[in-house]
Amino acid sequence: GENVEQHPSTLSVQEGDSAVIKCTYSDSASNYFPWYKQELGKGPQLIIDIRSNVGEKKDQRIAVTLNKTAKHFSLHITETQPEDSAVYFCAALDAAGNKLTFGGGTRVLVKP
Amino acid sequence: KAGVTQTPRYLIKTRGQQVTLSCSPISGHRSVSWYQQTPGQGLQFLFEYFSETQRNKGNFPGRFSGRQFSNSRSEMNVSTLELGDSALYLCASSPTGGQGIGYTFGSGTRLTVV
Repeated sequence: GENVEQHPSTLSVQEGDSAVIKCTYSDSASNYFPWYKQELGKGPQLIIDIRSNVGEKKDQRIAVTLNKTAKHFSLHITETQPEDSAVYFCAALDAAGNKLTFGGGTRVLVKP
Repeated sequence: KAGVTQTPRYLIKTRGQQVTLSCSPISGHRSVSWYQQTPGQGLQFLFEYFSETQRNKGNFPGRFSGRQFSNSRSEMNVSTLELGDSALYLCASSPTGGQGIGYTFGSGTRLTVV
């Protein structure tokens, strides 16, 4: 089955700096890759997603890149703000659309 | 519009008991999926329901079951609770039939088994 690995597990950045989280997946047929942000006491919230026919997608300060050949995708947050502090999860959906596999999560701390 | 509503928010149960958790999806969403979140195992898929039918199932024992009603509300049941069942149980609804596409998660039910 699909295996998704996420790095780093924790990330501390200074406010205004950029943050990058990387994920690798094992199933080359996976075709949908969402990113979720989970704040304390809340459920994960979808922040951006990308499909396998696209290499990069941006939404204001966040962007996701996908390298299908290397089977990895990354989340980039620019100009980080304290409200970006949260746990971020990547995920990969198998080609049949039957199972969404999550990475282990990255705890991001933005220091003012 | 209202989000995904999970009840109760917190629950404490004793080993051996059973528990039922409820999830009301966003209006119009027909797919409801359940996940277990623990510090050690992360987010693990339990099952997905679409139009009252279980469409996908994760690798959990038969003690974990669920159902979906005609109004798309879903319940999950855990029987013969074990200490290891302590976790945050999340449900997610989706407007489409594909699992994982456009998920909106609820805030979860935190279950503690003592």
